[in-house]
Amino acid sequence: KNQVEQSPQSLIILEGKNCTLQCNYTVSPFSNLRWYKQDTGRGPVSLTIMTFSENTKSNGRYTATLDADTKQSSLHITASQLSDSASYICVVIRIKAAGNKLTFGGGTRVLVKP
Amino acid sequence: EAQVTQNPRYLITVTGKKLTVTCSQNMNHEYMSWYRQDPGLGLRQIYYSMNVEVTDKGDVPEGYKVSRKEKRNFPLILESPSPNQTSLYFCASSPSTGGSEQYFGPGTRLTVT
Repeated sequence: KNQVEQSPQSLIILEGKNCTLQCNYTVSPFSNLRWYKQDTGRGPVSLTIMTFSENTKSNGRYTATLDADTKQSSLHITASQLSDSASYICVVIRIKAAGNKLTFGGGTRVLVKP
Repeated sequence: EAQVTQNPRYLITVTGKKLTVTCSQNMNHEYMSWYRQDPGLGLRQIYYSMNVEVTDKGDVPEGYKVSRKEKRNFPLILESPSPNQTSLYFCASSPSTGGSEQYFGPGTRLTVT
Protein backbone atom coordinates (compact mmCIF):
# COMPACT_ATOMS: atom_id res chain seq x y z
CA LYS A 1 0.00 0.00 0.00
CA ASN A 2 1.36 3.43 -0.91
CA GLN A 3 1.86 5.43 2.22
CA VAL A 4 3.50 8.57 3.48
CA GLU A 5 4.45 8.64 7.16
CA GLN A 6 5.58 11.79 8.94
CA SER A 7 7.31 12.25 12.24
CA PRO A 8 7.05 13.62 14.77
CA GLN A 9 3.31 14.25 14.93
CA SER A 10 3.91 17.46 16.80
CA LEU A 11 6.85 19.55 17.86
CA ILE A 12 7.41 22.51 20.16
CA ILE A 13 10.50 24.64 19.62
CA LEU A 14 11.78 27.95 20.91
CA GLU A 15 11.94 30.92 18.60
CA GLY A 16 15.30 31.12 16.86
CA LYS A 17 16.03 27.40 17.11
CA ASN A 18 16.28 24.95 14.22
CA CYS A 19 14.19 21.84 13.71
CA THR A 20 13.91 18.94 11.28
CA LEU A 21 10.79 17.13 10.21
CA GLN A 22 10.84 13.65 8.70
CA CYS A 23 8.88 12.01 5.92
CA ASN A 24 9.14 8.34 4.94
CA TYR A 25 7.23 7.03 1.97
CA THR A 26 6.52 3.76 0.22
CA VAL A 27 4.88 5.31 -2.86
CA SER A 28 6.44 3.83 -5.96
CA PRO A 29 7.14 4.88 -8.56
CA PHE A 30 7.01 8.54 -7.74
CA SER A 31 7.68 11.63 -9.79
CA ASN A 32 8.08 14.33 -7.20
CA LEU A 33 7.81 15.12 -3.53
CA ARG A 34 6.43 18.30 -2.05
CA TRP A 35 6.35 19.94 1.32
CA TYR A 36 3.40 22.16 2.16
CA LYS A 37 2.81 24.56 5.03
CA GLN A 38 -0.73 24.77 6.35
CA ASP A 39 -1.72 27.50 8.76
CA THR A 40 -4.63 26.68 11.03
CA GLY A 41 -7.93 26.95 9.17
CA ARG A 42 -6.31 27.68 5.82
CA GLY A 43 -5.37 25.78 2.70
CA PRO A 44 -1.89 24.26 2.26
CA VAL A 45 0.73 26.41 0.56
CA SER A 46 3.66 24.90 -1.29
CA LEU A 47 7.14 25.29 0.21
CA THR A 48 9.28 23.04 -2.00
CA ILE A 49 8.94 20.64 -4.91
CA MET A 50 11.63 18.06 -5.67
CA THR A 51 11.85 15.52 -8.45
CA PHE A 52 13.30 12.09 -7.74
CA SER A 53 16.67 13.22 -9.11
CA GLU A 54 17.05 16.19 -6.76
CA ASN A 55 18.69 15.88 -3.35
CA THR A 56 17.93 19.25 -1.84
CA LYS A 57 15.78 22.29 -2.42
CA SER A 58 15.65 25.51 -0.41
CA ASN A 59 13.03 28.18 0.03
CA GLY A 60 14.31 30.86 2.36
CA ARG A 61 14.71 29.34 5.82
CA TYR A 62 13.15 26.06 4.66
CA THR A 63 15.41 23.35 3.21
CA ALA A 64 14.08 20.03 2.01
CA THR A 65 16.23 16.99 1.34
CA LEU A 66 15.38 13.81 -0.50
CA ASP A 67 16.99 10.38 -0.52
CA ALA A 68 15.17 8.40 -3.20
CA ASP A 69 17.13 5.25 -2.36
CA THR A 70 15.91 5.09 1.22
CA LYS A 71 12.61 6.80 0.38
CA GLN A 72 13.11 9.49 2.98
CA SER A 73 12.73 13.23 2.95
CA SER A 74 13.27 15.87 5.58
CA LEU A 75 12.31 19.50 6.00
CA HIS A 76 14.71 21.65 7.97
CA ILE A 77 13.57 24.97 9.41
CA THR A 78 16.38 27.34 10.27
CA ALA A 79 16.14 30.10 12.87
CA SER A 80 12.46 29.47 13.53
CA GLN A 81 10.04 32.36 13.79
CA LEU A 82 6.65 32.58 15.47
CA SER A 83 5.06 32.61 12.01
CA ASP A 84 6.47 29.13 11.38
CA SER A 85 3.82 27.74 13.73
CA ALA A 86 1.76 25.58 11.39
CA SER A 87 1.30 22.05 10.13
CA TYR A 88 3.81 20.79 7.58
CA ILE A 89 2.61 18.20 5.12
CA CYS A 90 4.71 15.89 2.98
CA VAL A 91 3.08 14.88 -0.31
CA VAL A 92 4.34 12.29 -2.79
CA ILE A 93 3.08 12.45 -6.36
CA ARG A 94 2.85 9.79 -8.99
CA ILE A 95 2.11 10.98 -12.50
CA LYS A 96 -0.31 8.67 -14.25
CA ALA A 97 -2.05 8.91 -17.60
CA ALA A 98 -5.34 9.16 -15.75
CA GLY A 99 -4.06 12.11 -13.73
CA ASN A 100 -1.75 12.84 -10.83
CA LYS A 101 -2.01 10.64 -7.79
CA LEU A 102 -1.17 12.53 -4.63
CA THR A 103 -0.55 10.72 -1.37
CA PHE A 104 -0.50 12.98 1.68
CA GLY A 105 1.24 12.42 4.97
CA GLY A 106 -0.62 13.15 8.17
CA GLY A 107 1.45 16.24 8.83
CA THR A 108 3.67 17.50 11.64
CA ARG A 109 2.24 20.27 13.78
CA VAL A 110 4.95 22.76 14.76
CA LEU A 111 4.52 25.28 17.54
CA VAL A 112 7.16 27.98 17.90
CA LYS A 113 7.24 29.60 21.31
CA PRO A 114 8.86 32.94 22.15
CA GLU B 1 -5.14 38.14 -7.91
CA ALA B 2 -4.67 34.49 -8.85
CA GLN B 3 -6.69 32.38 -6.46
CA VAL B 4 -8.99 29.49 -5.74
CA THR B 5 -12.21 30.46 -3.98
CA GLN B 6 -14.67 28.28 -2.14
CA ASN B 7 -18.15 29.00 -0.83
CA PRO B 8 -19.42 28.75 1.74
CA ARG B 9 -16.49 28.79 4.16
CA TYR B 10 -18.59 27.37 6.98
CA LEU B 11 -21.77 25.33 6.80
CA ILE B 12 -23.88 23.54 9.36
CA THR B 13 -26.62 21.36 7.94
CA VAL B 14 -28.80 18.40 8.79
CA THR B 15 -28.66 14.83 7.58
CA GLY B 16 -30.21 14.34 4.15
CA LYS B 17 -30.42 17.96 3.07
CA LYS B 18 -28.71 18.32 -0.30
CA LEU B 19 -25.92 20.87 -0.47
CA THR B 20 -23.35 22.19 -2.91
CA VAL B 21 -19.94 23.64 -2.16
CA THR B 22 -18.69 25.81 -4.97
CA CYS B 23 -15.10 26.09 -6.15
CA SER B 24 -13.80 28.57 -8.67
CA GLN B 25 -10.31 29.37 -9.98
CA ASN B 26 -9.22 32.32 -12.10
CA MET B 27 -5.93 30.88 -13.36
CA ASN B 28 -7.27 28.98 -16.40
CA HIS B 29 -6.10 25.73 -14.82
CA GLU B 30 -7.07 22.45 -16.44
CA TYR B 31 -6.81 20.24 -13.37
CA MET B 32 -9.07 20.62 -10.35
CA SER B 33 -9.57 18.42 -7.35
CA TRP B 34 -11.52 18.08 -4.11
CA TYR B 35 -10.06 16.84 -0.82
CA ARG B 36 -11.33 16.27 2.64
CA GLN B 37 -9.15 16.64 5.70
CA ASP B 38 -9.87 14.81 8.92
CA PRO B 39 -7.82 14.69 12.13
CA GLY B 40 -5.24 11.92 12.01
CA LEU B 41 -6.04 11.01 8.41
CA GLY B 42 -4.47 13.82 6.43
CA LEU B 43 -5.87 15.02 3.14
CA ARG B 44 -7.73 12.50 1.02
CA GLN B 45 -8.83 13.03 -2.54
CA ILE B 46 -12.56 12.82 -3.26
CA TYR B 47 -12.82 13.58 -6.98
CA TYR B 48 -10.68 15.22 -9.59
CA SER B 49 -11.12 16.67 -13.06
CA MET B 50 -8.54 16.79 -15.80
CA ASN B 51 -10.56 19.20 -17.94
CA VAL B 52 -14.08 20.28 -18.83
CA GLU B 53 -16.50 17.33 -18.76
CA VAL B 54 -13.71 14.99 -17.57
CA THR B 55 -14.04 13.85 -13.97
CA ASP B 56 -12.90 10.79 -12.05
CA LYS B 57 -13.06 9.31 -8.59
CA GLY B 58 -10.35 9.80 -6.04
CA ASP B 59 -9.80 7.73 -2.92
CA VAL B 60 -13.01 8.52 -1.04
CA PRO B 61 -15.76 9.36 -3.58
CA GLU B 62 -18.70 7.69 -1.82
CA GLY B 63 -21.52 10.11 -1.05
CA TYR B 64 -20.19 12.86 -3.30
CA LYS B 65 -20.77 14.08 -6.84
CA VAL B 66 -18.97 16.65 -8.95
CA SER B 67 -19.40 18.35 -12.29
CA ARG B 68 -17.10 20.32 -14.58
CA LYS B 69 -19.21 22.22 -17.08
CA GLU B 70 -16.83 25.16 -17.22
CA LYS B 71 -13.09 25.28 -16.84
CA ARG B 72 -13.13 27.64 -13.88
CA ASN B 73 -15.79 25.92 -11.73
CA PHE B 74 -15.78 22.55 -10.00
CA PRO B 75 -18.67 22.24 -7.52
CA LEU B 76 -18.87 19.45 -4.94
CA ILE B 77 -22.36 18.07 -4.39
CA LEU B 78 -23.57 16.11 -1.40
CA GLU B 79 -26.95 14.68 -2.40
CA SER B 80 -27.80 13.31 1.04
CA PRO B 81 -25.22 14.42 3.61
CA SER B 82 -24.52 12.22 6.59
CA PRO B 83 -22.66 12.95 9.85
CA ASN B 84 -19.57 11.05 8.63
CA GLN B 85 -19.17 13.73 5.98
CA THR B 86 -18.47 16.30 8.66
CA SER B 87 -15.01 17.48 7.65
CA LEU B 88 -12.82 20.26 6.30
CA TYR B 89 -12.99 20.37 2.51
CA PHE B 90 -10.39 21.83 0.16
CA CYS B 91 -10.58 22.50 -3.52
CA ALA B 92 -7.33 22.70 -5.48
CA SER B 93 -6.28 23.49 -9.03
CA SER B 94 -3.14 23.17 -11.12
CA PRO B 95 -2.17 24.10 -14.69
CA SER B 96 -1.99 20.48 -15.82
CA THR B 97 -1.68 16.95 -14.58
CA GLY B 98 2.05 16.85 -15.21
CA GLY B 99 3.19 17.23 -11.63
CA SER B 100 2.78 20.99 -11.63
CA GLU B 101 2.08 23.07 -8.54
CA GLN B 102 -1.33 22.71 -6.89
CA TYR B 103 -3.05 25.76 -5.47
CA PHE B 104 -5.48 25.19 -2.64
CA GLY B 105 -8.59 27.11 -1.74
CA PRO B 106 -9.21 28.43 1.79
CA GLY B 107 -11.32 25.46 2.85
CA THR B 108 -14.95 24.81 3.76
CA ARG B 109 -15.76 23.51 7.20
CA LEU B 110 -18.89 21.36 6.99
CA THR B 111 -20.83 20.02 9.95
CA VAL B 112 -23.66 17.56 9.37
CA THR B 113 -25.90 16.93 12.37
